[in-house]
Amino acid sequence: TQLLEQSPQFLSIQEGENLTVYCNSSSVFSSLQWYRQEPGEGPVLLVTVVTGGEVKKLKRLTFQFGDARKDSSLHITAAQPGDTGLYLCAGLTADRGSTLGRLYFGRGTQLTVWP
Amino acid sequence: DTAVSQTPKYLVTQMGNDKSIKCEQNLGHDTMYWYKQDSKKFLKIMFSYNNKELIINETVPNRFSPKSPDKAHLNLHINSLELGDSAVYFCASSQEHRGFYYNEQFFGPGTRLTVL
Repeated sequence: TQLLEQSPQFLSIQEGENLTVYCNSSSVFSSLQWYRQEPGEGPVLLVTVVTGGEVKKLKRLTFQFGDARKDSSLHITAAQPGDTGLYLCAGLTADRGSTLGRLYFGRGTQLTVWP
Repeated sequence: DTAVSQTPKYLVTQMGNDKSIKCEQNLGHDTMYWYKQDSKKFLKIMFSYNNKELIINETVPNRFSPKSPDKAHLNLHINSLELGDSAVYFCASSQEHRGFYYNEQFFGPGTRLTVL
């Protein structure tokens, strides 16, 4: 089983603060995805990072893929209450005997941003 | 407009019953999945179908049986429900139009199953 460890598990901050969420593994992944899930809904894809060392920005969100493609981080600048949600990282690995990969999810970081 | 839809949204049933959850996607994707999310929000794949063919079958009790009548539908039937089956079940779909590395998945809204 490919394990992805996310930290912290819970994060409660004030509006305007910065934060970083980490996603670590001892396994190498073909790519890594970040999803955001709101209560009562399914996860929604935020970004996919593919190349080791890759950095992608989505407005106030910055995603980085580690050089060895084993870890990733999500940094949010000037957090807003609308950023509140469960952030999930997911690593993609090839599936033996198939052209399709499978996603292994971390346990998530529950972020709450207070006004 | 709904991309991936599931029914029902909530399912409350007694132990030992048999139930089904339906999933449909209108994105034209070739691959569909079932995931289980436990009470601690851990999301784990159960099954994957590609063009109606079973591709991934994780270590799931054989009381769970997926069925794909066509590539837009993937249903999940569960026999002899147990207390431990209580969870949120998500259907998802994907299309590798951007290549293997992207495999971006679109999730349904989930079905919250409660076994009493």
